[in-house]
Amino acid sequence: AFQLTQSPSSLSASIGDSVTIACRAGQGISSSVAWYQQKPGTPPKLLIYHTSTLETGVPSRFSGSGSGTDFTLTISGLQPEDFATYYCQQFYGHLSTFGQGTRLDIK
Amino acid sequence: EVYLVESGGNLVQPGRSLRLSCAGSGFTFDDYAMHWVRQAPGKGLEWLSGISWSGGSLGYADSLKGRFTISRDNAKHLLYLQMNSLRPDDTALYYCARSQTSSGWSGGFDHWGQGALVTVSS
Repeated sequence: AFQLTQSPSSLSASIGDSVTIACRAGQGISSSVAWYQQKPGTPPKLLIYHTSTLETGVPSRFSGSGSGTDFTLTISGLQPEDFATYYCQQFYGHLSTFGQGTRLDIK
Repeated sequence: EVYLVESGGNLVQPGRSLRLSCAGSGFTFDDYAMHWVRQAPGKGLEWLSGISWSGGSLGYADSLKGRFTISRDNAKHLLYLQMNSLRPDDTALYYCARSQTSSGWSGGFDHWGQGALVTVSS
């Protein structure tokens, strides 16, 4: 089974900080990843797809990059509403998988 | 506006079966692939299964070991997940999600339901 490894599993930051979350694939399976934000009690929200394309309505402080096996989500200038859990996702043939999640807390 | 509404969640004994449904509205249902994703209490997201717009392309997580079956009825705008031989570790909130594409195997999931709770316990 193919796997995605996210790091860190949790991090603390302050309003205005910039943070980066990493997602590593076990092998160069797909050319792209998607990123989601999830807040407690709500379904995930798509932020970025095809590695770097911002979903409609998502603020430009979110950005994605990467290729091959290594991908990143960067949030520049954290806002109070950004504290949540983030997941990466990748596809392989007719399979998909999510990373284990990164919890972003207020410091 | 796009709506996805799951139903069929329940308390069920180990070894029993359950079928979840997901009703889609506000979009042309048969233009999009659909997926099921679950989240156990306090845990992360687990992709379970996906189906292309026509139902001709299916995919399942290896961990399901053939116990779950995805299907769709485009005329009724419904997505299904038949779950057999349920185990306590199947206890989770089950989400249906719309793929951005008709094939379903790229991009992301741009709309999600609120989830259906399945509890497997004796």
